Amino acid sequence: GENVEQHPSTLSVQEGDSAVIKCTYSDSASNYFPWYKQELGKRPQLIIDIRSNVGEKKDQRIAVTLNKTAKHFSLHITETQPEDSAVYFCAASRGNTDKLIFGTGTRLQVFP
Amino acid sequence: GAVVSQHPSWVICKSGTSVKIECRSLDFQATTMFWYRQFPKQSLMLMATSNEGSKATYEQGVEKDKFLINHASLTLSTLTVTSAHPEDSSFYICSATRSGTEAFFGQGTRLTVV
Repeated sequence: GENVEQHPSTLSVQEGDSAVIKCTYSDSASNYFPWYKQELGKRPQLIIDIRSNVGEKKDQRIAVTLNKTAKHFSLHITETQPEDSAVYFCAASRGNTDKLIFGTGTRLQVFP
Repeated sequence: GAVVSQHPSWVICKSGTSVKIECRSLDFQATTMFWYRQFPKQSLMLMATSNEGSKATYEQGVEKDKFLINHASLTLSTLTVTSAHPEDSSFYICSATRSGTEAFFGQGTRLTVV
């Protein structure tokens, strides 16, 4: 089955710096890769997603890149703000109606 | 966006009792819902896929007799933790997908077994 690895497990940055989180997946049939932000005790919230027919997608300060050949995808947050502090999860699935397999999570701390 | 509601948000029960958690899609029909379990500071682990009108598909290592899943309608899936023990204490969260869109998560249920 699918296995998703995520690095780093924790990431501390200064406000205004960029943050990059990387994930690799094992199932070559996976074609949908969402990123979720989860605050303590709350539900995961989708922040951006990408499908396998696209190499990069951007939404304001957030971007995701996908390398299908290498089976890895990355989240890039620019101009980080304290409110970006949360746990971020990557996930992979064979379609957005299929089960999501989550990475292990990255705890991002943005210091003012 | 679509709304998925989970109930209860938290529950405390005694060892040996059973607890039922409901997951409802409020404004769309979900033929498939998913149940996840999350331990503190850990990731979401998929437990099972809940299919409307048929048996759930459980992930390897998840006891189907322990975690009973019923998907009685296109808007409701239930997870029953039977004969709960302290090691079952966790955050349980469901998700549902509206056709062609992202997965939407319920707010989660924090189960504490004492």
